[in-house]
Amino acid sequence: QVQLQESGPGLVRPSQTLSLTCTVSGGSIGSVPYWWSWIRQYPGKGLEWIGYIYPSGSTYYNPSLKSRVTISVDKSQDQFSLRLNSVTAADTAVYYCARDVRGDGYSFDQWGQGTLITVSS
Amino acid sequence: QSALTQPASVSGSPGQSITISCTGTSNDVGAYIYVSWYQQHPGKAPKLIIYDVSNRPSGVSNRFSGSKSGNTASLTISGLQAEDEADYYCSSYTTATTLVFGGGTTLTVL
Repeated sequence: QVQLQESGPGLVRPSQTLSLTCTVSGGSIGSVPYWWSWIRQYPGKGLEWIGYIYPSGSTYYNPSLKSRVTISVDKSQDQFSLRLNSVTAADTAVYYCARDVRGDGYSFDQWGQGTLITVSS
Repeated sequence: QSALTQPASVSGSPGQSITISCTGTSNDVGAYIYVSWYQQHPGKAPKLIIYDVSNRPSGVSNRFSGSKSGNTASLTISGLQAEDEADYYCSSYTTATTLVFGGGTTLTVL
């Protein structure tokens, strides 16, 4: 069973860049073709898909975030990462990394525990 | 892209059945079979309970079922149990090659 674990700073200052890493264990990112995704959840409920990456490096992003987001993969470390530029308080959320069910990017059955990111000065 | 529309809350008594709706457009729910449902208990990550409109992952109770008609998908939980009390989210693939979630529905078991 693959496991995913997010890591990040917890607190980010406004206008700075948020950087998160998801470490995958129990399976290799490069060995099986899945989409690896970032999804966030605002305080109070709503989920928002941020984007995902394929082992080849292909990416798709939420259009509302596309200008500020970069998702990258490091297959040698079995990690993928999120960078979100120019953050504001509106980016405060729990950030999850997740893996899709069968390599088509339509649904996610493996999730990390999530990490709370607060944007505040 | 706009979030899919779900009722904010639903409730039911143990043993009853409830249905949660998820309304989108012809560009998402109405366009594909790629509608999923997630269950989330407080402080936990979402758990996939339905994918491709009506398929259950291994280990998910058959009390959970999904369907779709036009631009609206539905999740039905039969034989309601106390452990079903949670938030439920739908999601759909879109014609813009993105994913969109619903706003979430809180299920209360009375």
